[in-house]
Order: sequence, then C-alpha cells, then structure tokens
Amino acid sequence: AQSVTQLDSQVPVFEEAPVELRCNYSSSVSVYLFWYVQYPNQGLQLLLKYLSGSTLVKGINGFEAEFNKSQTSFHLRKPSVHISDTAEYFCAVSSNTNAGKSTFGDGTTLTVKP
Amino acid sequence: KAGVTQTPRYLIKTRGQQVTLSCSPISGHRSVSWYQQTPGQGLQFLFEYFSETQRNKGNFPGRFSGRQFSNSRSEMNVSTLELGDSALYLCASSYPGTGDTEAFFGQGTRLTVV
Repeated sequence: AQSVTQLDSQVPVFEEAPVELRCNYSSSVSVYLFWYVQYPNQGLQLLLKYLSGSTLVKGINGFEAEFNKSQTSFHLRKPSVHISDTAEYFCAVSSNTNAGKSTFGDGTTLTVKP
Repeated sequence: KAGVTQTPRYLIKTRGQQVTLSCSPISGHRSVSWYQQTPGQGLQFLFEYFSETQRNKGNFPGRFSGRQFSNSRSEMNVSTLELGDSALYLCASSYPGTGDTEAFFGQGTRLTVV
C-alpha cells in the first residue's frame, strides 16, 4: 500500500519570499513521485516528477524538489514566489504495480501575499 | 494537440437520480483514470481503464461504474445519487499508462446533488 502525507495544509508567504511545501510518502515498493498544481476550478497540472537518477528535480515555473530516500520525503521548493503561484499543490506517488493509479496527498494551499 | 476534455463541466442532479460523465483523453493515450475530489476527502481514486479493460479500482461502492470505448473515450456512471456524491470528478489520461508516466488532467465535472 502507498500513502502520501503533506505536512502543511496551508502555507501563507509574502511575495518574493522562498517557500517549501513538505511531502512524505510511504510505500512497500519502488515509487515514482510527482508534484501537481491546481488553480481554482481547474484540473491538475504537472510541476515536476522524480523517476530515477539525480535526486534534485527541476520543474516548471521555477519549482524544484529533492527526493530523499532515507527520509522518504519529496519536498517542493521555490526560491522566490509570485502572486500567481497562489494555488493548491498536490504530492502524488505511483508505481508500476499499480499503473494508472496515483495516490495523492491532501494538498497544500499556498497563498502568496503582496 | 487537444487536452483532456470532460463534459459536462457542471451538473446539478437530484438525490436518487443517476448521472453519466464523459472523458475524452489526449489522442493516443490508452489509460484513463477517474478521481473524486472533495474538500473533506481530497483526491480519491475511483478506477482506471486501459484498452477498454478496468485495470485498477478504488474503494467506492458499486453505484460508481465506468467503461472505456475502443477510441479510449471513457464514461463514468453514478446511480442512485446521494448528497455525499457532490464533488469535482476529474479524469486523467496517460501514455503508455505505466507508473512512471505523467497523468494529464481534464478540468473536471462539478457535480452537485440536491
């Protein structure tokens, strides 16, 4: 079984400040890790993914994430946020044993204030 | 390339009725997954179809069913609607449908049961 825990349900931050959204996962098999963003009344859009190789993954819109196998974490970071980054962010895991099924965390609402 | 298209975008139904939601995946994608998103439960996996076969199923009652056609378009049906079925239903498609592939989401169908 797989599970994902997003440690913060809401993260308020001022514009141009750095931000970290935390994600821990649990799985008995090898997993692939994803971060998605959801804007109001929209579907989810992929920010970045970790499949293998380098543990630092760069994504769109200046986001990056670091895979830490020993801590089973996949935290998302951005060095300087913009108002337009205000959205809900989801961490997700999937595996080849359950292809087509992703397990999502409960989401973190990032609010960027001017 | 057209994205994932879900129809309708909004739907209001009465308790006890049934509803059918439609999802057209990205051309060439053979895997279609369905998720229910609610404020209380987050994103919950319903089922996934690959080449017209249900490959994975989540923990939802039998009132929730789906199917996939030969052109990969998918429908989900909910019978005997309950108030708790009110949610955003998201469809995602991927190719080739292995665990390491990104899921492309539609904008969702907002179902309100009154």
